[in-house]
Amino acid sequence: QIQLVQSGPEVKKPGASVKVSCKASGYTFISYTISWVRQAPGQRPEWMGWIKPTNGDIKYALKLQDRFTMTTDTSTSTAYMELRSLRSDDTAVYYCARADYGDRDYWGQGTLVTVSS
Amino acid sequence: DIQMTQSPSSLSASVGDRVTITCRASQDIGYDSAWYQQKPGKPPKRLMYATSTLQSGVPSRFSGSGSGTEFTLTISSLQPEDFATYYCLQHYNYPRTFGQGTRVDVK
Repeated sequence: QIQLVQSGPEVKKPGASVKVSCKASGYTFISYTISWVRQAPGQRPEWMGWIKPTNGDIKYALKLQDRFTMTTDTSTSTAYMELRSLRSDDTAVYYCARADYGDRDYWGQGTLVTVSS
Repeated sequence: DIQMTQSPSSLSASVGDRVTITCRASQDIGYDSAWYQQKPGKPPKRLMYATSTLQSGVPSRFSGSGSGTEFTLTISSLQPEDFATYYCLQHYNYPRTFGQGTRVDVK
């Protein structure tokens, strides 16, 4: 069955960086876009961007693009997101998702990133 | 960025009730709206996109309508598993933006 399994929770200090992984299984990894969405406690989800593993095409939310990088490793069917210069308002659950329209969506379990001094 | 504004922010309903949630976009987005359901501690789940295209596996009691700037999610007969928070999303342009959510709880 299709699964996206994310790395575990992280606690970081302001100014640090975090890298979250998302390992896909059960489907052909390069055939589908991976999206990243985050959700701060009690808030609406926030779309961050997507990456196409087949050719590396990327779309970022402009407000994040100076601090945010998405990559994929097709040899391990794993997507990564890295967020730098962390601030307290980056505290959120970060989700990866396979969410192309025309097909149902699949989500990772979420990774809680806490930014605190 | 396109702002998506939902109403109401919460509602109380009983099993069997017809429930309607509205989402208003800050500009014309054609038919490019989607609806998500989220339960506590879980990721969102897409119910439909392109206003009214139901994802496979989603019960037919869920339906969507609207165009331009006003969109509606209707649950024709609320079931126990439908108590959750619902979000609209615009997929007209980037960045994709979500509404603030509508919490549906037990009356």
